[in-house]
Amino acid sequence: GAVVSQHPSWVICKSGTSVKIECRSLDFQATTMFWYRQFPKQSLMLMATSNEGSKATYEQGVEKDKFLINHASLTLSTLTVTSAHPEDSSFYICSARGDRSQSYEQYFGPGTRLTVT
Amino acid sequence: TQLLEQSPQFLSIQEGENLTVYCNSSSVFSSLQWYRQEPGEGPVLLVTVVTGGEVKKLKRLTFQFGDARKDSSLHITAAQPGDTGLYLCAAKAQGGSEKLVFGKGTKLTVNP
Repeated sequence: GAVVSQHPSWVICKSGTSVKIECRSLDFQATTMFWYRQFPKQSLMLMATSNEGSKATYEQGVEKDKFLINHASLTLSTLTVTSAHPEDSSFYICSARGDRSQSYEQYFGPGTRLTVT
Repeated sequence: TQLLEQSPQFLSIQEGENLTVYCNSSSVFSSLQWYRQEPGEGPVLLVTVVTGGEVKKLKRLTFQFGDARKDSSLHITAAQPGDTGLYLCAAKAQGGSEKLVFGKGTKLTVNP
């Protein structure tokens, strides 16, 4: 149990285009999901907290108009990178927080590799 | 700003050797977690430690939470090539937040 999927697993896009990444909790409901980015050989940096039915909370320094987050259901959150640029190339990872039955642990998706050319 | 300092940053050892990875902070945590991440994949939770002084074992992995709940260690006995990966410690931010703060990680390579 407690499986989180991400789609796509990798994507290449041209500079100036937008890319949408999906994060799904497959066998549990998640009122809260988190979006991280990870640069090569570095740790995970939290970008934003996504709450079902409300606006996302962004970390300091993260542009909310560039990284659009939508948490439309208890099993799906999406991250849209708008007007992508090469510096947005990174590994994007989501996590979903389980409920009491999962001890409120965060379960991570397999990540999405974004390359902007 | 609460920081989790991990050491060493890199570790390359031979199969069969033992190793210890450390996670230190000046902050007190209600709990601390250890994850293992392989290249191109998301982190996988190994263990959560909650009680000061707690020791948890997961096969050849032994996790310890410091008495003051400020630090933790991960000890691997008789390391195997399959143990290769990035080991991350993480803890929830202060103030009851659900946000996780991650250490920079220890990149472990176990050579056959």
